[in-house]
Amino acid sequence: AQSVTQLGSHVSVSEGALVLLRCNYSSSVPPYLFWYVQYPNQGLQLLLKYTSAATLVKGINGFEAEFKKSETSFHLTKPSAHMSDAAEYFCAVSGGSNYKLTFGKGTLLTVNP
Amino acid sequence: DVKVTQSSRYLVKRTGEKVFLECVQDMDHENMFWYRQDPGLGLRLIYFSYDVKMKEKGDIPEGYSVSREKKERFSLILESASTNQTSMYLCASSLGGFGEEKLFFGSGTQLSVL
Repeated sequence: AQSVTQLGSHVSVSEGALVLLRCNYSSSVPPYLFWYVQYPNQGLQLLLKYTSAATLVKGINGFEAEFKKSETSFHLTKPSAHMSDAAEYFCAVSGGSNYKLTFGKGTLLTVNP
Repeated sequence: DVKVTQSSRYLVKRTGEKVFLECVQDMDHENMFWYRQDPGLGLRLIYFSYDVKMKEKGDIPEGYSVSREKKERFSLILESASTNQTSMYLCASSLGGFGEEKLFFGSGTQLSVL
């Protein structure tokens, strides 16, 4: 069984400020972890993924995430927010001989000028 | 680039109607998925398919069925639509593997059941 908890359904930051979106996972097997982003009126697209290589994963648009097994966390960060980062962000987990990808409930990021 | 195409962006149906949502991918992907997205609930997996004519239930399969007769096409069927099936439906595909591959999503179908 696997699950994802995203802490904070809505995060608001100022342009230029640090973005931190939190994700904790539960998995009975070594997990694969993902962050997806959804812009308004669009489907989801992959930001980055962790598949048991380096624990610090760099993605598109300046985002990165760190896998911390001891904390069962995979938080998403970006040093400096841009207006174009405003979107909904989803953390997801899969693992083992399991095609299923389980998503969190999402975090809506608002960037204020 | 992989393209996942969902046949309708908006759909309005009446209670009790049989509804077909169509999804086509153009990259020879093995796996295809149907999710529904509701505010505050995120994405929930309805059904997925890892090969032609193969399907497995996801987390919320009740009231839905699927069909995959050809590799590129995955259809979601609401046998008798109900108002609680009003939602955004997202189709996705992935190359293969066991969950380590990225998903490519369509733009979604917003279904309203009246």
